[in-house]
Amino acid sequence: SQQGEEDPQALSIQEGENATMNCSYKTSINNLQWYRQNSGRGLVHLILIRSNEREKHSGRLRVTLDTSKKSSSLLITASRAADTASYFCATDWNTDKLIFGTGTRLQVFP
Amino acid sequence: DAGVIQSPRHEVTEMGQEVTLRCKPISGHNSLFWYRQTMMRGLELLIYFNNNVPIDDSGMPEDRFSAKMPNASFSTLKIQPSEPRDSAVYFCASSPNVEETQYFGPGTRLLVL
Repeated sequence: SQQGEEDPQALSIQEGENATMNCSYKTSINNLQWYRQNSGRGLVHLILIRSNEREKHSGRLRVTLDTSKKSSSLLITASRAADTASYFCATDWNTDKLIFGTGTRLQVFP
Repeated sequence: DAGVIQSPRHEVTEMGQEVTLRCKPISGHNSLFWYRQTMMRGLELLIYFNNNVPIDDSGMPEDRFSAKMPNASFSTLKIQPSEPRDSAVYFCASSPNVEETQYFGPGTRLLVL
């Protein structure tokens, strides 16, 4: 079964709004990563947060990690049409490989 | 750096034919991963190598699938014989080490008729 499950599965917002995606996982981790995939393209790494970190920022991205709840959230502020993509969380299950979640499809309307 | 390079980008073949997918990782990266992505199953890890050695092939679906990494700059994923259910997008990714950020190639879109 999937280690990570994203929620919601799909999200539609207007440009300028914030988008929040959540990821839940099942086992203890060393780090959690978020990736973006544009339609028909490979995945692109966005941000990595380690298990001893609670929050991390990168530009308009903000990632939080709650290891007690085994969950993470990705916030995209002031969204743009170019942010339209699928977003995946990935965890280092058993520390030797990444397991990707099912993804959230984000649609940002201009 | 050109990033991870995969070839071909698209492959259409008939059931029973052999398919070979190729990957050139980013120079200096020690780990290489092969993934398969479908609508039904999402992104699945098939196999990964560390320093050219296969570490975990538990995701390889059947004996029809095989992967090799003869040197640090080249890997192949072979399907023989191919079946329609193998139709998917196959991604190769590389990283400096197993637990670090992975850099994905553009993928090979495979259609088996």
